[in-house]
Amino acid sequence: DQQVKQNSPSLSVQEGRISILNCDYTNSMFDYFLWYKKYPAEGPTFLISISSIKDKNEDGRFTVFLNKSAKHLSLHIVPSQPGDSAVYFCAARGGNTPLVFGKGTRLSVIA
Amino acid sequence: ETGVTQSPTHLIKTRGQQVTLRCSSQSGHNTVSWYQQALGQGPQFIFQYYREEENGRGNFPPRFSGLQFPNYSSELNVNALELDDSALYLCASSDGTLRETQYFGPGTRLLVL
Repeated sequence: DQQVKQNSPSLSVQEGRISILNCDYTNSMFDYFLWYKKYPAEGPTFLISISSIKDKNEDGRFTVFLNKSAKHLSLHIVPSQPGDSAVYFCAARGGNTPLVFGKGTRLSVIA
Repeated sequence: ETGVTQSPTHLIKTRGQQVTLRCSSQSGHNTVSWYQQALGQGPQFIFQYYREEENGRGNFPPRFSGLQFPNYSSELNVNALELDDSALYLCASSDGTLRETQYFGPGTRLLVL
C-alpha cells in the first residue's frame, strides 16, 4: 500500500516556465513533508520541506504548497532551468517515524 | 566538511552469497539510515543506527543487518542474497534521530545474479 504517491512518472517543461510536481499521501499521521532531487549517479539531495502547521514554504525559485484537507502537496519551480532536470522525490513522515518516499517524477527542462 | 561516502560504488554477487556495504557519515553526524531503492521505486527505509544502536527498522527480513562504529560509520550486511535484493542501496546521515534532515550518499548499486 503506497502511502506517498507521485502519479506523474515524468514531466517536460520549457526553460523559463513553471514546473509543478505533485504528490498525494494517504496517512493522516504525516506531519512533515520533504522534497528531494536526485541526479544520476548521485544520492538524493534535500531541496525543501514543510511542516503540517504551514500551507506554504518558499526558498528562492522553489515553493512547496500543502493542502492538508486534500492530502496533497506540490512543488513549484519558477523559473525552470535546464539544471533542474532530475528525478524529484516527495517524502513524508509522522512524528519520529522513518521517511516514506514516493516513486519519483522525472523532470526534463528543455532549453 | 566531507559529505556522506559509500563503498563500493558497484557490486555483482550471486544468489545465496553475502554482501557488506559501507558508509561514512557526514562529519558531525551521529545517525545513519539505510535505504533500498529498487528500479522505478523510491527509497525504502531499511533501518537506522543512532550512537551504535539500532533505532528503528523497516519491513525487511533479519538477513538484513547492520552495524555502526564509534566513529559513526556504518555497515549494511545482507545474507543469503536473493535476486530481488538487486537495487541501489543508499546511506543517509543526520545529526540526531529520524526527525532531522537526512543527507544521502551516492549509493552502492548491487546486482544479484
